Amino acid sequence: QKEVEQDPGPLSVPEGAIVSLNCTYSNSAFQYFMWYRQYSRKGPELLMYTYSSGNKEDGRFTAQVDKSSKYISLFIRDSQPSDSATYLCAMRNSGYALNFGKGTSLLVTP
Amino acid sequence: SAVISQKPSRDICQRGTSLTIQCQVDSQVTMMFWYRQQPGQSLTLIATANQGSEATYESGFVIDKFPISRPNLTFSTLTVSNMSPEDSSIYLCSAEGGGETQYFGPGTRLLVL
Repeated sequence: QKEVEQDPGPLSVPEGAIVSLNCTYSNSAFQYFMWYRQYSRKGPELLMYTYSSGNKEDGRFTAQVDKSSKYISLFIRDSQPSDSATYLCAMRNSGYALNFGKGTSLLVTP
Repeated sequence: SAVISQKPSRDICQRGTSLTIQCQVDSQVTMMFWYRQQPGQSLTLIATANQGSEATYESGFVIDKFPISRPNLTFSTLTVSNMSPEDSSIYLCSAEGGGETQYFGPGTRLLVL
């Protein structure tokens, strides 16, 4: 079993929809949780960072961490065609190595 | 956030040759990292590059295959040695950000024939 599981999609939604992206993990030592957005032929761009459990909101984006269920989510409200990208979850324990999911491909259609 | 650049952005190489990838950060950072992103796979950490000390390699990666240099706090190189088609991948450099995050460069797309 991989430490971080993420459904690769693709996920297709109409413009304006609420998007829910999720990852599960097996290592209870993970404390730091991140979401990256990666456009085609570009490097990952940090979107959201959360420490331990709880919610964090930034504009149209909300990150949730449920450590008891080993489950993290990213919600995108009022999705736009410019949100079309691959979304990568990443997490780590007290060390520096990031453990990534495989990424979910999202397409927002006008 | 740190701004990271990489050279080259892409390359096509013959098997048996070596390629050195450069990574430049716009500010001084203690920790730099090298990742590999293969099609359909997760980003995988190759090694951590610390200034003034030997790089720390993850399981499955060895110094003879992926030598790393870190001459100062803003620069690092990764060499992919004695390449085979299995080394075809995207290689990404990252640097620690403020707090507990990492910022990534645009990547180097390598095709080995």
